[in-house]
Amino acid sequence: DVKVTQSSRYLVKRTGEKVFLECVQDMDHENMFWYRQDPGLGLRLIYFSYDVKMKEKGDIPEGYSVSREKKERFSLILESASTNQTSMYLCASSIHRDSYEQYFGPGTRLTVT
Amino acid sequence: GQSLEQPSEVTAVEGAIVQINCTYQTSGFYGLSWYQQHDGGAPTFLSYNALDGLEETGRFSSFLSRSDSYGYLLLQELQMKDSASYFCATRQGGKLIFGQGTELSVKP
Repeated sequence: DVKVTQSSRYLVKRTGEKVFLECVQDMDHENMFWYRQDPGLGLRLIYFSYDVKMKEKGDIPEGYSVSREKKERFSLILESASTNQTSMYLCASSIHRDSYEQYFGPGTRLTVT
Repeated sequence: GQSLEQPSEVTAVEGAIVQINCTYQTSGFYGLSWYQQHDGGAPTFLSYNALDGLEETGRFSSFLSRSDSYGYLLLQELQMKDSASYFCATRQGGKLIFGQGTELSVKP
């Protein structure tokens, strides 16, 4: 069964802290994505990666960076957390680059105080 | 660019049929997909329409009309467990973009 896991379900951090959100998929997918979800705004793409060591900016990359050292792992980094980064963060993966079917993790609800 | 419009919320009763609409504006169009997300859960893929017409998967069907830039998700024989948010999505370059989501409430 396809599985995407995220390191934490809930996280509370202070303003200015460096935050790491980890995502692991066990499906040997090459394509991985990070989204944030906010009420009334749907899912917005932060960064994505089509291969190890590769990354592409999504629609809202400011304040974030990513790391993809291994195929199964895609990390989202908040260099200096701010209160406007309080959100639900969702990781996803897909088999093909142009696939309409993505597999999502359970999400990490991050609160920055 | 591309944008997708959905109603923010829909309410229906158990056993009924409900239609969730999605209109899109695109600079290139390759298909429309639908996702379901229960409160606190992960979005899960429901369906994909590349061509005009109706795709049926059990109680759920999805329809696409490319000439009208319009699609919908049809849920039949509604059950309480269908209460969730539903998102339409399409491709823009190398990425999926999502509508804002429709929150469906199913009442007894």
